[in-house]
Formats: sequence, C-alpha cells, structure tokens
Amino acid sequence: AQKITQTQPGMFVQEKEAVTLDCTYDTSDQSYGLFWYKQPSSGEMIFLIYQGSYDEQNATEGRYSLNFQKARKSANLVISASQLGDSAMYFCAMREVNTGNQFYFGTGTSLTVIP
Amino acid sequence: GAGVSQSPSNKVTEKGKDVELRCDPISGHTALYWYRQSLGQGLEFLIYFQGNSAPDKSGLPSDRFSAERTGGSVSTLTIQRTQQEDSAVYLCASSTRVGTLRETQYFGPGTRLLVL
Repeated sequence: AQKITQTQPGMFVQEKEAVTLDCTYDTSDQSYGLFWYKQPSSGEMIFLIYQGSYDEQNATEGRYSLNFQKARKSANLVISASQLGDSAMYFCAMREVNTGNQFYFGTGTSLTVIP
Repeated sequence: GAGVSQSPSNKVTEKGKDVELRCDPISGHTALYWYRQSLGQGLEFLIYFQGNSAPDKSGLPSDRFSAERTGGSVSTLTIQRTQQEDSAVYLCASSTRVGTLRETQYFGPGTRLLVL
C-alpha cells in the first residue's frame, strides 16, 4: 500500500482564492510527522509546513495551513489568497518514528494559479 | 552560497557508461540524503548519511548504485553501467534537527540525468 496518496494530479485556482490540496497517509505508528514541500519549475524542493502526529493544533505558516484529521489519516494543505508564484508541484511527505531515516513522498499535485 | 548545491545540473550519457553526481550540503548539516525523482513521480529515497555512522543504503535500487561522503561534507553518488531507466532527476538534501521527527530537509536543485 502507498504510504502517501495524493489523488489530484492537477489543480487550478483563481488568483486570490483559497485552494486545498489533498493528502492521505497510511501508517500504523502512533508517532509520525507530516510535511508539505513545494517544487517550482526550477526543480528545488522547498519546505512549507510540518505537522506532528501529537500536535493538537493544525499547523500554520503564513498563507499555508495544514488541515490535519488524524482519524481519517488526512493532512490536506490549504493555501489562502493564492498568488501567481504559488504555481508549482506540491508534495506531501511522511516520516515515521519506527522507520527512522525514510521520508515517504506522494506523487505530487500540480497547482496552476490563474490570473 | 548558503544552500545545497549539486553538480552537474544536467548530464547526458550513453548506456553502459558510469556517472558521478556531486552534492555539497549546507555547512554544518550532519545528515545528507539522496533521492531519485522519475518523470511524474514522487521522490524515491536512495541513501542517507549521518555523521560518521554507517550509511543507510536501503533505498539503493541495485548494486550499480553507490555513494560516499568524504569528511562528513561533500557526497558523490555513482551509477555504474548506466541504463535508460536510470534517467531521472537526482536530488540531494541536507538536514538539521537530526533525530527528531521534525527534521527539516533542505534540497539542492538536482541533477537531471539522461541516459541515451
């Protein structure tokens, strides 16, 4: 089974609108971390936001927030007030305490912001 | 510069040739990761170095792949007898806050490898 599933290969959003990028994960660990990365066309992966499995509050970083629903094993990324520069690939990733060094990445969602 | 750097940025080679890809991590980062990203796919973990510990090679797809890290800094990923399926972007990352779940990885721009 896939550890990280991103079901939206491509998304479009109007500039200044909010958009939600879906991510579900599969783990039997109680302790794990969830990450979102942005990959612009330049290719460099940029860390956006982190959510720990024991964190009671949803993580927020500026215009990024993570809608963490532990029982549903989902960790959706919400981008508010979209900007043209948000157009990129977005990857969800997970790290489990029991698998040490491995970061598991999803296949990504391509976001296009329309002016 | 302050970020992770990788060289070359692009590499075209012929099937059967060996290639070396280089990664310079952020100064002071003790952990270094190599990933492979095939077209339209997520990142596939290859290998992990942490300080002087033995590397975690569990992600290397075959014995044609090897990596070393000299002096706890620069790393080289070597692919011997390249095959067309090795064509991908190879990403390097270094990290801080090692040993915690909230380990933040900083990625380089990648090396785009094309095997003809």
